[in-house]
Amino acid sequence: DAGVTQSPTHLIKTRGQHVTLRCSPISGHKSVSWYQQVLGQGPQFIFQYYEKEERGRGNFPDRFSARQFPNYSSELNVNALLLGDSALYLCASSWGSNTEAFFGQGTRLTVV
Amino acid sequence: EDQVTQSPEALRLQEGESSSLNCSYTVSGLRGLFWYRQDPGKGPEFLFTLYSAGEEKEKERLKATLTKKESFLHITAPKPEDSATYLCAVHKGGGGNKLTFGTGTQLKVEL
Repeated sequence: DAGVTQSPTHLIKTRGQHVTLRCSPISGHKSVSWYQQVLGQGPQFIFQYYEKEERGRGNFPDRFSARQFPNYSSELNVNALLLGDSALYLCASSWGSNTEAFFGQGTRLTVV
Repeated sequence: EDQVTQSPEALRLQEGESSSLNCSYTVSGLRGLFWYRQDPGKGPEFLFTLYSAGEEKEKERLKATLTKKESFLHITAPKPEDSATYLCAVHKGGGGNKLTFGTGTQLKVEL
């Protein structure tokens, strides 16, 4: 059984650039959430999508955006990258809007 | 504001030396409390969900319990492969699947 898959696994970008991270949820799961984890901290909630609609947004600037596609996969976009955006970006999928979340391996983003 | 505090920040145990990790929380309308295990550079691995005070769940050497203000993760006779960061997260009502995480307890089990 395939778990949550994220791509790419690692990424290096320059300040001011744009980045797109991708996530495929577990088969049958309709909800995808995105989290940012800075070294030494717990994951911080960025967005949740359920049935292609945004259901929640964390305290992140408008440079962060996301969307969910008809096959329930999702993209996280970050514009005008800052050094502080360097982190592990995690995608979590769940069956419903209020059920247990299972995480992917993450995308390690480094902004230089 | 919802808060999750985990203690200790780091814990070093000898193999076979049982202990407990603490997660205290302040949240209105708790819908569930989650425990995850995270290895370095990897995503969190789901362990348990607890929904109401008094509930207990077990998996191998791990046992999670929940009260109205805190949760404990008991580790019985740990092995080196139990070394990881253990994260606690709360899910509150009001729609959405937002999890609020603590900063984790970094566990090291030595031979």
